[in-house]
Amino acid sequence: GENVEQHPSTLSVQEGDSAVIKCTYSDSASNYFPWYKQELGKRPQLIIDIRSNVGEKKDQRIAVTLNKTAKHFSLHITETQPEDSAVYFCAATHGSGNTGKLIFGQGTTLQVKP
Amino acid sequence: IAGITQAPTSQILAAGRRMTLRCTQDMRHNAMYWYRQDLGLGLRLIHYSNTAGTTGKGEVPDGYSVSRANTDDFPLTLASAVPSQTSVYFCASSETPGPYGYTFGSGTRLTVV
Repeated sequence: GENVEQHPSTLSVQEGDSAVIKCTYSDSASNYFPWYKQELGKRPQLIIDIRSNVGEKKDQRIAVTLNKTAKHFSLHITETQPEDSAVYFCAATHGSGNTGKLIFGQGTTLQVKP
Repeated sequence: IAGITQAPTSQILAAGRRMTLRCTQDMRHNAMYWYRQDLGLGLRLIHYSNTAGTTGKGEVPDGYSVSRANTDDFPLTLASAVPSQTSVYFCASSETPGPYGYTFGSGTRLTVV
């Protein structure tokens, strides 16, 4: 089955610096890679996603890159702010076609120090 | 307000007891999912349902059962709780079966003692 590995488990950056979180996946059939943000005590919420036919996607200060050959994808946050502090989860699809289920990484706790 | 509701918010349960976690959505989403969240392990899929009347097993189904009698409700049952089932449980739904557009509930924190 699909295995998603996420690194690092914790990340501390200074406000204004960039943060990068990396994930690898095992199922070469995976075709959708979302990122979720979970603030303390809250539910996970989708912040950005990328499909397998795209190499990079940006949305303001966040971007995601995908390398299908190497089976890894990354989340990039630029100009970090204290409100970016949260747990971030990557995910990849497992299963055939459009009915695949999401398999999540282990999570990265990001702390942005003011 | 349309959304997905979980109950209870938190529960302390004696080992060996039976417990049902409730999940209800009013978005008329076809697919629903149950995940458990444990520190260092992320979110792991327990069971899912692509549509009313059908269910499937996820990554960690042992010790759990689900039913999907109608579109709105997707209860998760622990027949005989064990301490390793201590976790935060999230229900989620999506309009169509598949990985897109998940909406998560607010979670149930379960402690089995």
